[in-house]
Amino acid sequence: EIVLTQSPATLSLSPGERATLSCRASQSVSSYLAWYQQKPGQAPRLLIYDTTNRATGFPARFSGSGSGTDFTLTISSLEPEDFAVYYCQQRSNWPPLTFGGGTKVEIK
Amino acid sequence: QLQMQESGPGLEKPSETLSLTCTVSGGSISTSSHYWGWIRQPPGKGLEWIGSISYSGSTYYNPSLKSRVTLSVDTSKNQFSLELSFVTAADTAVYYCARGSYCSGASCYYDYWGQGTLVTVSS
Repeated sequence: EIVLTQSPATLSLSPGERATLSCRASQSVSSYLAWYQQKPGQAPRLLIYDTTNRATGFPARFSGSGSGTDFTLTISSLEPEDFAVYYCQQRSNWPPLTFGGGTKVEIK
Repeated sequence: QLQMQESGPGLEKPSETLSLTCTVSGGSISTSSHYWGWIRQPPGKGLEWIGSISYSGSTYYNPSLKSRVTLSVDTSKNQFSLELSFVTAADTAVYYCARGSYCSGASCYYDYWGQGTLVTVSS
């Protein structure tokens, strides 16, 4: 089973700042990695798929990068609605599909 | 716009079988382009993939749950279902149904989700 480790667990930033979230895989997942955004009381929303592709409805301030075992989600300038928990997910080596433990982006 | 809705009991007793159904509206479940999955989230914790099913009934399970999980699909009702047997308190979670997309074979990401339903296991 591929283990995804997300860091940091919590990121405290102010609106307008840049957010950099990390997801590290226990073995290569090639480019088969996605990111989800989850707000309190809501289901996760697919944000990025196959490392770099933005899903419908998300603005260009969200971007993904990486390959193999190291991946990054960048939010170039945080808006108030971006404060949420972000999860990564791999679909390279399965079953099972696996998720990271999440990074909470909170208002500083 | 596709919508997904979970339904089922919110409370189960230990050792019993949890049964949930996901009703899909605004689109057909009978498509080879998508798979239909279940993901759960214990309160305050992360996401765990339970399994997925195709419209034709091919199933894929998380090995950690495989001995207790059964997925099924009813294309006439545009629904798919989850059964989890011999539940314990560790199975207490919000259960989500979701549509798998951008797949390679049956390995997918999930782009549409139900709102989730909390199932508590307690005597």
